Amino acid sequence: NAGVMQNPRHLVRRRGQEARLRCSPMKGHSHVYWYRQLPEEGLKFMVYLQKENIIDESGMPKERFSAEFPKEGPSILRIQQVVRGDSAAYFCASSKDTYGYTFGSGTRLTVV
Amino acid sequence: QKEVEQNSGPLSVPEGAIASLNCTYSDRGSQSFFWYRQYSGKSPELIMSIYSNGDKEDGRFTAQLNKASQYVSLLIRDSQPSDSATYLCAVNENGGSNYKLTFGKGTLLTVNP
Repeated sequence: NAGVMQNPRHLVRRRGQEARLRCSPMKGHSHVYWYRQLPEEGLKFMVYLQKENIIDESGMPKERFSAEFPKEGPSILRIQQVVRGDSAAYFCASSKDTYGYTFGSGTRLTVV
Repeated sequence: QKEVEQNSGPLSVPEGAIASLNCTYSDRGSQSFFWYRQYSGKSPELIMSIYSNGDKEDGRFTAQLNKASQYVSLLIRDSQPSDSATYLCAVNENGGSNYKLTFGKGTLLTVNP
């Protein structure tokens, strides 16, 4: 039973490029969450999705960030026109109900 | 703004000792409390959850919750070098957004052989 799969593990982007982070939840899990961990900071909630629906995006920056969880395929977190301040670890988590997250291994984004 | 506070550490204990990690939270209505362990460069791993006042034991780990004091702690008995990691306290938000966790910045624990 594979866990939450995130790819890529490491992503390097130049300022102004787009970053796409992918997350496949655990089998049987229909709830997906994205969190960001900045250096020396705690994990911060970004967005909560179910299939084809964004339930809560209150933690997403207003511009350049978007997320989706299509009917088929992984959840995608997209960051357009990346800036150095976007450099962080992005973790996806999934759950069967709204308790008991399982986190993926994360994507470390570096903006150069 | 809902906050979760932890001592950043580092907390250093000798092998075999009891490590005590503490956490306070600001949202009095919070209902669910979690401790995650995060090794350097790795993802958070859930080690304990607690929902009611009192103690909850699981192996060498004991979580303690006091809602009146808005305080939750984690005790690690017989600490091992493999317990060296950052421990994250997480608290759910009250009400309709009970899926949303607020994390503390974590306490770095070092267990010395």
